[in-house]
Amino acid sequence: NAGVTQTPKFQVLKTGQSMTLQCAQDMNHNSMYWYRQDPGMGLRLIYYSASEGTTDKGEVPNGYNVSRLNKREFSLRLESAAPSQTSVYFCASKGQGGITGELFFGEGSRLTVL
Amino acid sequence: SQELEQSPQSLIVQEGKNLTINCTSSKTLYGLYWYKQKYGEGLIFLMMLQKGGEEKSHEKITAKLDEKKQQSSLHITASQPSHAGIYLCGADLNAGGTSYGKLTFGQGTILTVHP
Repeated sequence: NAGVTQTPKFQVLKTGQSMTLQCAQDMNHNSMYWYRQDPGMGLRLIYYSASEGTTDKGEVPNGYNVSRLNKREFSLRLESAAPSQTSVYFCASKGQGGITGELFFGEGSRLTVL
Repeated sequence: SQELEQSPQSLIVQEGKNLTINCTSSKTLYGLYWYKQKYGEGLIFLMMLQKGGEEKSHEKITAKLDEKKQQSSLHITASQPSHAGIYLCGADLNAGGTSYGKLTFGQGTILTVHP
């Protein structure tokens, strides 16, 4: 059982380049999330999707766009990358039932913007 | 400033020692979740606390939520190298648990256990 799969795992970009981080889950979860993790800052929510067809901003949405392509997939796009977006990005999902705050995380995508 | 403050930021212990990690909020914690992260990997859910005074244990890890629901502690008894990693607390700060999984996280505590 794969759980939450993120690609790519590592990426180096130059300032101004664009890229898309892909995330897919095979647990039939309704809700999906994109977080970023920075040293000393913990995880901060970028965008989330409560269900297929809906997306909403989190705490730090500026510079990002998202697409909930279908129930399985939730992508994060950087249109014009900036050095401040150097971070580790985590995708997570949550099912309808079970424990409210139990999120299932991918292994992360480490992005460096030069 | 962080809504959730974890202390200490890092901890180095000898195998077999006990240790405690704290997570403090200025707001009421309507749900408190402890996660563990190994380097280069995603977060793994450990346990959830909701009620004031609640305590839960899993193997050698015990988590407590204080009566006022503004502080939680994670205690590891007789630590082992397998306990090493980053421990993060995540909280639902919305009344009624209405954050729908949009958790606020502490900055994490890096635990190193020397054999």
